[in-house]
Amino acid sequence: EVQLVESGGGLVQPGESLRLTCVASGFNIYSHWMTWVRQAPGKGLEWVANMKEDGSLINYAESVKGRFTISRDNGKSSLYLQMNSLRAEDTAVYYCVRVVAEDEGLGDWGQGTLVTVFS
Amino acid sequence: QSVLTQPPSISAAPGQKVTISCSGSSSNIGDNYVSWYQQFPGTVPKLLIYENNKRPSGIFDRFSGSKSGTSATLDITGLQTGDEADYYCVTWDSSLSAGVFGGGTKLTVL
Repeated sequence: EVQLVESGGGLVQPGESLRLTCVASGFNIYSHWMTWVRQAPGKGLEWVANMKEDGSLINYAESVKGRFTISRDNGKSSLYLQMNSLRAEDTAVYYCVRVVAEDEGLGDWGQGTLVTVFS
Repeated sequence: QSVLTQPPSISAAPGQKVTISCSGSSSNIGDNYVSWYQQFPGTVPKLLIYENNKRPSGIFDRFSGSKSGTSATLDITGLQTGDEADYYCVTWDSSLSAGVFGGGTKLTVL
């Protein structure tokens, strides 16, 4: 059974940093692109970033470019999201997602971890 | 403002068919596959349709997808009250080099 378990969310003030971790099981993470998606309270889904199987290709949403860094450790079956210079508008549930089909066919989702940025 | 445009809400009676549209441009829908997701309140999104019209195992054939030009549609036939949820489209945008979601459509089954 595929499982994606996120951790690392919490309450921070504007300008602070957080690092999210996603641990995958039930499949070989090194065979899949992985994506982070977020959802602000009461709002729609927003694509954040993705990373190729071997880490050789990375893409970011304009809203997080220069502040967030996606990375992975296939040996640890883990995906990460380093979030710096956090803003109130980054408040959201962050989902770790396995890509299973072309052009962001997002097949398996974690339960999400809540990041709250407050002043 | 989402790159992909969906109607904010749509409603229909049980048993009827509903079509949810997703409109984009040549750099996203026009150039790439579209997938669709269903999300119930307080739950994780679920993949309904991938690569325009393919269903993952376990998804009923009441759900179908199609794409034409720079627009995509999700059809749901034989509506049930249990289909009440938010529905999102997503694709890749070749100009932005980023994934893009529609704003979501809230389906109400009256």
